Amino acid sequence: GESVGLHLPTLSVQEGDNSIINCAYSNSASDYFIWYKQESGKGPQFIIDIRSNMDKRQGQRVTVLLNKTVKHLSLQIAATQPGDSAVYFCAESTRDDKIIFGKGTRLHILP
Amino acid sequence: EAGVVQSPRYKIIEKKQPVAFWCNPISGHNTLYWYRQNLGQGPELLIRYENEEAVDDSQLPKDRFSAERLKGVDSTLKIQPAELGDSAVYLCASSSGLSGRVYEQFFGPGTRLTVL
Repeated sequence: GESVGLHLPTLSVQEGDNSIINCAYSNSASDYFIWYKQESGKGPQFIIDIRSNMDKRQGQRVTVLLNKTVKHLSLQIAATQPGDSAVYFCAESTRDDKIIFGKGTRLHILP
Repeated sequence: EAGVVQSPRYKIIEKKQPVAFWCNPISGHNTLYWYRQNLGQGPELLIRYENEEAVDDSQLPKDRFSAERLKGVDSTLKIQPAELGDSAVYLCASSSGLSGRVYEQFFGPGTRLTVL
């Protein structure tokens, strides 16, 4: 069915290290993928997106990698900071503006 | 520029009571979404509006949920009567695009509903 999931519900990373959050999706027809960050008490906030004609996209301190062969998406955060603590969701869309969210990974930053 | 505004931020009601949530999207955004987010889960779409038309309400439990966006701007989501399982965060989002293309969605802070 159409679903997006994440491999780990929680991830703990030392401050300053790089974080890698993974996501597997099941719908091969999905052509647009987004990563959202959700802090406590707030709505999801757009981080970065990627379309299916690309396999890598970089933003400020973040990189999204897309592997369509194995239907895998990852978010890399460089030099993780305390402000990166949040729940991260991957989401997918199939040309119709409907976005389907995965379950989320909570990122803990260790001092 | 103001983001998506939602009210109230918190609501506690007893089961079988009605409840309503209000959303004011970002100015100029044609598309408005209501999502429900259960604890520990990702948001799930309830309904999507393009201007004043509900173009996707397939996930809206129509026996007790209703929504409207009469003038194509503000929107309200209503539950009547509420059940214990309706406890969740109700998120509103808006985007500037119309059907056929995906545009960035901007989310409000949500309304946390607790049904006792």
